Amino acid sequence: NAGVTQTPKFRVLKTGQSMTLLCAQDMNHEYMYWYRQDPGMGLRLIHYSVGEGTTAKGEVPDGYNVSRLKKQNFLLGLESAAPSQTSVYFCASLPRPGGYEQYFGPGTRLTVT
Amino acid sequence: AQSVTQLDSHVSVSEGTPVLLRCNYSSSYSPSLFWYVQHPNKGLQLLLKYTSAATLVKGINGFEAEFKKSETSFHLTKPSAHMSDAAEYFCVVYSYNTDKLIFGTGTRLQVFP
Repeated sequence: NAGVTQTPKFRVLKTGQSMTLLCAQDMNHEYMYWYRQDPGMGLRLIHYSVGEGTTAKGEVPDGYNVSRLKKQNFLLGLESAAPSQTSVYFCASLPRPGGYEQYFGPGTRLTVT
Repeated sequence: AQSVTQLDSHVSVSEGTPVLLRCNYSSSYSPSLFWYVQHPNKGLQLLLKYTSAATLVKGINGFEAEFKKSETSFHLTKPSAHMSDAAEYFCVVYSYNTDKLIFGTGTRLQVFP
């Protein structure tokens, strides 16, 4: 049982390049989330999904797209990277609605030059 | 709407002395509250959670937190700090309206020998 995994762990992009971050969970969780973490700002929600085939915008969705074609995977895409997207990205999953623990992945450190 | 405020961005203690990390919450109904810890360059790990059972919640690594409705607080404490406690700590409230976690801005705990 690997929990929540993220690929890649590190990436450096040039401005304007695109990339996709992959989040995978093997716990059969319904809900999945993408966050970004910036110094002094805690974690901010980018997009989330409440089930296979669904996505919704979070607090800071601009410049990102997501897809949840399979229940276990949640992809975060950057179509044209900007230096403001330099951040650490965390994926998380939640078994069901309610006050349950969210399980976090180890994070992806992205630098856009 | 739910929110959390972490009252200190940095806390420094000596090894063996008590730790107090302060968190106030705002919620229109009985909240679910969490404390997460993030060690340097690591993901987030759940320390403890409050979901309307006992007001004193015990977590991992000797941490505990007390839910005080009259003060709208959920402060994290530990009787005796250890060097390995040096990390960033996040107070989090679960939003039942939106199935989202709302993060505080974090408190960085330094432990001096």
